[in-house]
Amino acid sequence: NAGVTQTPKFRILKIGQSMTLQCTQDMNHNYMYWYRQDPGMGLKLIYYSVGAGITDKGEVPNGYNVSRSTTEDFPLRLELAAPSQTSVYFCASSFTGGTGENYGYTFGSGTRLTVV
Amino acid sequence: QKEVEQNSGPLSVPEGAIASLNCTYSDRGSQSFFWYRQYSGKSPELIMSIYSNGDKEDGRFTAQLNKASQYVSLLIRDSQPSDSATYLCAVKGGYSTLTFGKGTMLLVSP
Repeated sequence: NAGVTQTPKFRILKIGQSMTLQCTQDMNHNYMYWYRQDPGMGLKLIYYSVGAGITDKGEVPNGYNVSRSTTEDFPLRLELAAPSQTSVYFCASSFTGGTGENYGYTFGSGTRLTVV
Repeated sequence: QKEVEQNSGPLSVPEGAIASLNCTYSDRGSQSFFWYRQYSGKSPELIMSIYSNGDKEDGRFTAQLNKASQYVSLLIRDSQPSDSATYLCAVKGGYSTLTFGKGTMLLVSP
């Protein structure tokens, strides 16, 4: 049981380049999330998804896009990378029941991105 | 905008002592609260969740919730050097999104 798998683990981008951060979960969780974590800061929500085909913006969505074509996959796309997007990115998933009960997130191992 | 506040620390305690980590939140309507532990360079891992006022115990960990005071705490008994990490408080919002505090660094000295 792999849990939440993120690739790549590390990446250096040049300003203006684009890339996709991959996230896959094998726990049949319905909800998935992307967070970024800057040094000394908490995690900030970028985008989330409550199921295949349904996504919505979080607190810091500018410069990012997502899609969710399957339950398992939730890739994060960076367009026109900027130094301000240098951060550690975490994908997470959770199961939320019909009455809203949720038992916490399972996080991936993270992607450390540097934009130069 | 929901806010979650934590003292950044570091909180230093000797091995075997009780470590007390605190968190306040701004949204009075919040119902679900979580504590995560994050080792340096690693992803957060769930320690405990708490939904009702009072105490919830799990092994050496006790979470405490006071909704009237908008206050959540985590007590770690018999602290071990392996407990040295950053502890993140999180509050659940709509669609099970979590708002995280900046975290408190705990250092347990042998």
